[in-house]
Amino acid sequence: GQNIDQPTEMTATEGAIVQINCTYQTSGFNGLFWYQQHAGEAPTFLSYNVLDGLEEKGRFSSFLSRSKGYSYLLLKELQMKDSASYLCAVSYNQGGKLIFGQGTELSVKP
Amino acid sequence: AAGVIQSPRHLIKEKRETATLKCYPIPRHDTVYWYQQGPGQDPQFLISFYEKMQSDKGSIPDRFSAQQFSDYHSELNMSSLELGDSALYFCASSPQDRGELGTEAFFGQGTRLTVV
Repeated sequence: GQNIDQPTEMTATEGAIVQINCTYQTSGFNGLFWYQQHAGEAPTFLSYNVLDGLEEKGRFSSFLSRSKGYSYLLLKELQMKDSASYLCAVSYNQGGKLIFGQGTELSVKP
Repeated sequence: AAGVIQSPRHLIKEKRETATLKCYPIPRHDTVYWYQQGPGQDPQFLISFYEKMQSDKGSIPDRFSAQQFSDYHSELNMSSLELGDSALYFCASSPQDRGELGTEAFFGQGTRLTVV
């Protein structure tokens, strides 16, 4: 497979910053997506990276290093509602299908 | 704004029965993807269609088939259901195939299939 790896779970405090890492196989890489998913609900789009560097969108930022096969999602000013699973997904070659990592379950504590 | 619509939202079937899941993509999206997500697992790609033709195939069992119709909606047909088929089935649509830059997949709310 494409060996997309991310931590299984993380815990952080309300108001803090958390970084969720993702590593992936680089061969055939086309782009990397981050999705947020609450239990039983559909994944919702957070960010997309295809070039090296940082993409910022409000409280969420995502970074990509294509040579290292590495990305992270940075969440600032954490809120209780940010407790969810965060999925790293990679698009390989052409076709547009997404290969998902196993997801990182983030728990935000008061 | 219109989103991806899936029906039904919930479905309960017995073993060896058949089920049909429907997906209505966002207007002007010509690509549809089907994913299966088991309890506590990540979504697994099943199959995709572009302009009514199958464009890619993943870990879809032979008992399942799918198609995309002239109005771009898609149906996933599942036969000889097994207990292990119990999962959330998501449909996603995007405006173009070929994995071009910025092609975000928009997900429907999913169909929760329970096989008893």
